[in-house]
Amino acid sequence: DIVMTQSPDSLAVSLGERATINCKSSQSVLYSSNNKNYLAWYQQKPGQPPKVLIYWASTRDSGVPDRFSGSGSGTDFTLTISSLQAEDVAVYYCQQYYNTPQTFGQGTKVEIK
Amino acid sequence: QVQLVQSGAEVKKPGASVKVSCKVSGYTFIDYYIHWVRQAPGQGLEWMGWINPNSGGTNYPQKFQGRVTMTRDTSISTAYMELTRLRSDDTAVYYCAREGESGAGYKGYWGQGTLVTVSS
Repeated sequence: DIVMTQSPDSLAVSLGERATINCKSSQSVLYSSNNKNYLAWYQQKPGQPPKVLIYWASTRDSGVPDRFSGSGSGTDFTLTISSLQAEDVAVYYCQQYYNTPQTFGQGTKVEIK
Repeated sequence: QVQLVQSGAEVKKPGASVKVSCKVSGYTFIDYYIHWVRQAPGQGLEWMGWINPNSGGTNYPQKFQGRVTMTRDTSISTAYMELTRLRSDDTAVYYCAREGESGAGYKGYWGQGTLVTVSS
């Protein structure tokens, strides 16, 4: 199974400041035949289902604010919130869909400092 | 618009089974895989498998093989997830989710979740 490890487990950022979450996979999730990274990022607020923010490692889903961006390739990925807003308080998960079983990171809780 | 509506909360005794439904609308049911993901209280997300609504084919992780069965009824655009031999650590919110793109494994749309509580 591919193990997804996020860091940090939690972080507190001031409003308007940058938040950076890292995700490392135990093996590459880059599919060489199409040069796509099979990596998604989700945001989950309390009492709600997760919501996809980013897929293919860097493609922002429709309607997602452009302060959210994804980067990385192979085994190392980053979700960046360029200017943290109050509504961004949530838990963020990375997920690999390169193979089965699909696996998620343990989650990173983002709070306001 | 795409919607996934799940059945209501369940309370079950250890050893029993539960069957959760997921009725979809706003798209052609057979065109996208349905995944099931669960989340124990205060914990992270755990993938339970997928069903191809077109063929009925399924894929389950080894952890759930023998205990989980995913089915579908194309006539009513509904997917089902049945979990047997329930234990207390199966207490969780169970989500169905549709892949964002046909053939891609990221989950673009989610149901509201179904709380399953296993308690004697």
